[in-house]
Amino acid sequence: AQTVTQSQPEMSVQEAETVTLSCTYDTSENNYYLFWYKQPPSRQMILVIRQEAYKQQNATENRFSVNFQKAAKSFSLKISDSQLGDTAMYFCAFMVFSGTYKYIFGTGTRLKVLA
Amino acid sequence: NAGVMQNPRHLVRRRGQEARLRCSPMKGHSHVYWYRQLPEEGLKFMVYLQKENIIDESGMPKERFSAEFPKEGPSILRIQQVVRGDSAAYFCASSPGTGYATEAFFGQGTRLTVV
Repeated sequence: AQTVTQSQPEMSVQEAETVTLSCTYDTSENNYYLFWYKQPPSRQMILVIRQEAYKQQNATENRFSVNFQKAAKSFSLKISDSQLGDTAMYFCAFMVFSGTYKYIFGTGTRLKVLA
Repeated sequence: NAGVMQNPRHLVRRRGQEARLRCSPMKGHSHVYWYRQLPEEGLKFMVYLQKENIIDESGMPKERFSAEFPKEGPSILRIQQVVRGDSAAYFCASSPGTGYATEAFFGQGTRLTVV
């Protein structure tokens, strides 16, 4: 079975500091994509960053970066210089094309940035 | 280019009534996904459709739930004889479906409350 696990239900970080959200996944596939989505109180799902499994280089998007460890099936998100607007639920997801484009989501980490 | 549009944003139904949730994908997108989010949980895959075809409905409950994506018009998720346990946020996502592992864009969701 393909699963995504986020072991940190809640986290908090002081404004301007750095925080890392963890994510592990399980799949027998070799080619897949990984994503981090942000869900603010508005409930809109916003793509934060994506990583192709065949790429060794970790993806970076401004203050957001990932640490992708394929052998360990780990995909953590690092948020640098945290801002109040980063307060949201963060979902890790992966997608394997096995005839359908099906995204598998973790249960989320609620991040609160403190002023 | 408007994003994925879902309506209504909020829907209240009494037990036993029918709920119809609509999703208009982004322009040019022919693939639609429906997800359900229970309180404090991640998004759970329900169904994946292309125009006039259900590709993968492995996440759909066997009874009372149905989905369609007609040649013209929005995709519809229909829940018959709703029960309290159907109360959740229902998200629609769309993708162009071309190439491998294209990103899905999410709508803002419909929050269904069954009273």
